[in-house]
Amino acid sequence: DQQVKQNSPSLSVQEGRISILNCDYTNSMFDYFLWYKKYPAEGPTFLISISSIKDKNEDGRFTVFLNKSAKHLSLHIVPSQPGDSAVYFCAASGMDSSYKLIFGSGTRLLVRP
Amino acid sequence: DTGVSQNPRHKITKRGQNVTFRCDPISEHNRLYWYRQTLGQGPEFLTYFQNEAQLEKSRLLSDRFSAERPKGSFSTLEIQRTEQGDSAMYLCASSLVGGAGSGYTFGSGTRLTVV
Repeated sequence: DQQVKQNSPSLSVQEGRISILNCDYTNSMFDYFLWYKKYPAEGPTFLISISSIKDKNEDGRFTVFLNKSAKHLSLHIVPSQPGDSAVYFCAASGMDSSYKLIFGSGTRLLVRP
Repeated sequence: DTGVSQNPRHKITKRGQNVTFRCDPISEHNRLYWYRQTLGQGPEFLTYFQNEAQLEKSRLLSDRFSAERPKGSFSTLEIQRTEQGDSAMYLCASSLVGGAGSGYTFGSGTRLTVV
């Protein structure tokens, strides 16, 4: 039972354009949604999060949108840079006090110069 | 503080051997988490500690796995009688209580290969 799904294994975008990474979830009890970025041979790095009571959160070039009725969130990167090339994981948490994260399977983003 | 440190970075072991991994969290973080990541998948929760108390274990954590966090500082994850299916990246992360929206800080992981 995959509670967090990233249906696109990969995405290729031209430098300077917008990258949109998508994530779907099934459990309406999640409190927070987070995005992590992972480079090869490194652990995931926290990027941005959104509370379930909001529909948008912005941090510099990164914006996360949450559509609770559709159980869908997306990460927008504008403008995309070659250094953004990495695997992006969507995660959800908050069903209990453990704050354990349930991750999607990731989307590999390639930003072409 | 240089972040979350995990040792070793890589471990190759023969099936049936025992292995132990170590995680040193960020010093002021009272929560410590262990995750496992296999190829093409996201990290999966294994267990977590608040200070020295192990508060939850996933059903993924079979009887061959044991984790400790003596004195609420570093943590160890031991796998006994390793199997080929244990081959994965083992990730440690730490955080403060109440940091659900702030995310964790992950270490670089220990890659285990069971041959």
